[in-house]
Amino acid sequence: AQTVTQSQPEMSVQEAETVTLSCTYDTSESDYYLFWYKQPPSRQMILVIRQEAYKQQNATENRFSVNFQKAAKSFSLKISDSQLGDAAMYFCAYRSPIGYGQNFVFGPGTRLSVLP
Amino acid sequence: ETGVTQSPTHLIKTRGQQVTLRCSSQSGHNTVSWYQQALGQGPQFIFQYYREEENGRGNFPPRFSGLQFPNYSSELNVNALELDDSALYLCASSSDRARVFYMEQFFGPGTRLTVL
Repeated sequence: AQTVTQSQPEMSVQEAETVTLSCTYDTSESDYYLFWYKQPPSRQMILVIRQEAYKQQNATENRFSVNFQKAAKSFSLKISDSQLGDAAMYFCAYRSPIGYGQNFVFGPGTRLSVLP
Repeated sequence: ETGVTQSPTHLIKTRGQQVTLRCSSQSGHNTVSWYQQALGQGPQFIFQYYREEENGRGNFPPRFSGLQFPNYSSELNVNALELDDSALYLCASSSDRARVFYMEQFFGPGTRLTVL
């Protein structure tokens, strides 16, 4: 079974600075998908960025980018020019593409605080 | 386009009771997944429904059951409630007509269940 680990329960960053959230995962599959989800306080989970394992190029979405190291099974999220609205729980998630009924395996999350 | 909605928002039950949670999928989505998110943890997959049939199940006992209706809305039923069932229950919908089947999941705001 796949597992996802986020070793940083809490992180903080100054507004306008850059922060990197770590994620490692364990799998025997060669093809899969990785995601970062954001869950603001008392609000619903939204997708930040996704990465297909067969793509070598790191995904980028505006101020959010990932560092995907397939051999190391590492998938970190970099947030540039941090804003107050970035404060939230961030979850790293893994998904197998094989068959039906496969769903996300989430990590325990990292709580990000943004300091003004 | 209507997003994923869940009802009720909050619910308080006592141990041994039964509860039904409801989810309306995003317009055009035919797959619904349910997750349990305990306080301070990442979501855990309960099960998925695709075209009104259970399509995968996580490590949850049979007292967790569900339904999907012809309009693709879904219910999660939990019998014989236990204190450990207290959690945020998330519903997520997706479509097999997406570019990659079930790669995108859209989450609802969740139902906060408290068991006393």
